[in-house]
Amino acid sequence: AQSVTQLDSQVPVFEEAPVELRCNYSSSVSVYLFWYVQYPNQGLQLLLKYLSGSTLVKGINGFEAEFNKSQTSFHLRKPSVHISDTAEYFCAVKVYQGAQKLVFGQGTRLTINP
Amino acid sequence: EPEVTQTPSHQVTQMGQEVILRCVPISNHLYFYWYRQILGQKVEFLVSFYNNEISEKSEIFDDQFSVERPDGSNFTLKIRSTKLEDSAMYFCASLRGSGGLDTQYFGPGTRLTVL
Repeated sequence: AQSVTQLDSQVPVFEEAPVELRCNYSSSVSVYLFWYVQYPNQGLQLLLKYLSGSTLVKGINGFEAEFNKSQTSFHLRKPSVHISDTAEYFCAVKVYQGAQKLVFGQGTRLTINP
Repeated sequence: EPEVTQTPSHQVTQMGQEVILRCVPISNHLYFYWYRQILGQKVEFLVSFYNNEISEKSEIFDDQFSVERPDGSNFTLKIRSTKLEDSAMYFCASLRGSGGLDTQYFGPGTRLTVL
């Protein structure tokens, strides 16, 4: 079975500071990796995904993530955050077989302080 | 841009009552999902649906739950006799096909409150 661990439940940062949200996964088979963002009172929006190829993937709103197979990690980064980045961020894995369900981590609440 | 829609946005019901949550997936998508998120917790998979039948379900999805695609556009989740612990945000998602490159698109969610 697959599992996802997001090591930080809350991350407060100042505006224009860099941020890293950590995600580790476990799986006995190859997976695809995703980061979704949930703004207050909204649904889940895809931020970026890793399917294959380059281990550094770029997403919307200036976010990027790096897939590290040896460390089974997929950390999300942004060099300079904005107030509008305040949201809940979810890391997820998908196994490319069967129903292709997503398995989510617990989420990280990113709070940007002015 | 096509999107997944869900109605209602908020449903309040009494314990023991039946509720039906509705979703309209993206029109050319073939795989459909329900997930739920209890307040403050992670998003959990409930069920997937393909070719008019359930393809996978979690242990949360017991006999009180059912899904249906009654008319080729709507995708519904029914809870027969709601419990307090069913209070959660329910997300519908759809996926175009079986290719690994495809992305699940999520609706805005229905907040279910069971009193």
